[in-house]
Amino acid sequence: LAKTTQPISMDSYEGQEVNITCSHNNIATNDYITWYQQFPSQGPRFIIQGYKTKVTNEVASLFIPADRKSSTLSLPRVSLSDTAVYYCLVGGGDNTDKLIFGTGTRLQVFP
Amino acid sequence: GAVVSQHPSWVICKSGTSVKIECRSLDFQATTMFWYRQFPKQSLMLMATSNEGSKATYEQGVEKDKFLINHASLTLSTLTVTSAHPEDSSFYICSAGTSGVGQYFGPGTRLTVT
Repeated sequence: LAKTTQPISMDSYEGQEVNITCSHNNIATNDYITWYQQFPSQGPRFIIQGYKTKVTNEVASLFIPADRKSSTLSLPRVSLSDTAVYYCLVGGGDNTDKLIFGTGTRLQVFP
Repeated sequence: GAVVSQHPSWVICKSGTSVKIECRSLDFQATTMFWYRQFPKQSLMLMATSNEGSKATYEQGVEKDKFLINHASLTLSTLTVTSAHPEDSSFYICSAGTSGVGQYFGPGTRLTVT
């Protein structure tokens, strides 16, 4: 399973766009990239998943360069409620594959 | 998205007793379920993978005789912490997945051993 590296923490202000980058140099050909959000004392919540190029949904965008050795989660116009830990994971597209969590990025949004 | 529930949401038990935590996939059949443990301010640590009808696969360093996992049906997996001790106090989270549906996490169970 590919190891991921993310910044330990990030600070932002309400209304700003936040980009969190994740490195996964050893990503395998059949690995997908998935981002989860976790609030204290809650289970992780799926945000977005992609394989290559760009994926966008109602809450975030995921940018993946051609070499797929990194990815960037983009949160547009964050609010205080976006304060959470964000995890980047890589693994097979089969959703029965185990997921190995890295340290995650603790995002703090200030008013 | 799909819903995964856990019961109980929190439990307090005395040292030496056993505690069972249930994980249910409410609106899909989960061929595979995972159990994680999370200590304060730390990331999730995978404990074991369970497939319906077969023995669980434990990660290195996880005592299989202490953390008993049963995946008796496609919608239910249970984790039993046997002879619990204070160091087993943690936040236990399950996830359920099936091909084509996704992998979804439960809300977690806070275990406190006194």
